[in-house]
Amino acid sequence: GNSVTQMEGPVTLSEEAFLTINCTYTATGYPSLFWYVQYPGEGLQLLLKATKADDKGSNKGFEATYRKETTSFHLEKGSVQVSDSAVYFCALRGQAGTALIFGKGTTLSVSS
Amino acid sequence: AAGVIQSPRHLIKEKRETATLKCYPIPRHDTVYWYQQGPGQDPQFLISFYEKMQSDKGSIPDRFSAQQFSDYHSELNMSSLELGDSALYFCASSLVAAPTEAFFGQGTRLTVV
Repeated sequence: GNSVTQMEGPVTLSEEAFLTINCTYTATGYPSLFWYVQYPGEGLQLLLKATKADDKGSNKGFEATYRKETTSFHLEKGSVQVSDSAVYFCALRGQAGTALIFGKGTTLSVSS
Repeated sequence: AAGVIQSPRHLIKEKRETATLKCYPIPRHDTVYWYQQGPGQDPQFLISFYEKMQSDKGSIPDRFSAQQFSDYHSELNMSSLELGDSALYFCASSLVAAPTEAFFGQGTRLTVV
């Protein structure tokens, strides 16, 4: 079945450091891939998405590229801020209308 | 823009009681999903509805049931509550015809004591 594996945290960085959170997936066909962010006490917010191979999703300085050859969708940001501290979830959707499958989440903590 | 609305935001119940969580999807969205997120866990899919019919079923306990009404809002009914049911319950909505992301509500935090 479909699944998502993402690097375990917590990830602790200093402000302006480079961020990478690894995410790999297993799926049949051509899933859509997503990164969601959850701030403390909040709901899930879509950060970025990619719906086909080689697509690059980007938002708020975050980027992720859909790599079918490596079945990966790693999240990157060149310079993190304290306000980026949150839990990040990688997710996939196998077909339109089906439920999202989430990774375990990675906690990012950025200090000034 | 209108978002997914969930109510109540917080709920405290005792063991063996029942609870009803409500979800109002984004207007014109035809699909609703329910997820359960335990403390420090990833969201787990419970059940989904498309056009008022159950479309998929995940790890929803038999003590739980859900339905989608004619106005597309959905309710998750939980009976014989257990301490382990304490979690954040998310509702999400989407359009089945478009391969887009699902939009999530703020969640209902259920605490069973």
